[in-house]
Amino acid sequence: DTGVSQNPRHKITKRGQNVTFRCDPISEHNRLYWYRQTLGQGPEFLTYFQNEAQLEKSRLLSDRFSAERPKGSFSTLEIQRTEQGDSAMYLCASTPGMGSPLHFGNGTRLTVT
Amino acid sequence: DQQVKQNSPSLSVQEGRISILNCDYTNSMFDYFLWYKKYPAEGPTFLISISSIKDKNEDGRFTVFLNKSAKHLSLHIVPSQPGDSAVYFCAARVDEGAQKLVFGQGTRLTINP
Repeated sequence: DTGVSQNPRHKITKRGQNVTFRCDPISEHNRLYWYRQTLGQGPEFLTYFQNEAQLEKSRLLSDRFSAERPKGSFSTLEIQRTEQGDSAMYLCASTPGMGSPLHFGNGTRLTVT
Repeated sequence: DQQVKQNSPSLSVQEGRISILNCDYTNSMFDYFLWYKKYPAEGPTFLISISSIKDKNEDGRFTVFLNKSAKHLSLHIVPSQPGDSAVYFCAARVDEGAQKLVFGQGTRLTINP
């Protein structure tokens, strides 16, 4: 069990640039979640996938955000035209399904300057 | 609208004593509650959970209590150890099918030797 892997660990970008993060879930976990955590707050739900299907998106996920899980394995989260308010820790989690807790990765910390 | 609240940002406890972390929620539709522990530079790690049909769940040094009428839950750690120093997040499950979680803001627990 290698755990949930997220890359990169840190990303610094200038406002207006596009960024993409990658998440590799625990193998055979068919559910994958993206959360965002800002300073002093708990993680907030963004979206989740069951295999390759994106089943729900939070209203926090503006149209500048897009997530994919093309083959039901790894997932990417892209933010277009980044804003300073996008600065946060982006956490990915996976689970084999109902009744099992989420397993989180170590996150990607995004800083928009 | 903060549906899950942890009103104590920090807590300091002497090693060997009991640590009690508190959490309040507003949504009576939550059916499952979890506690996650987070070390710096790591993602949250699942600690213990409780179903809304129970009022207590115990796992080793960790016990979670649920008071549905008061919409309150607490995590007891006894005896507290230095390795317990971390940020603790309370989370509530919104949707059994989707397994979306709503997190509190976290409480930083420091165990003093």
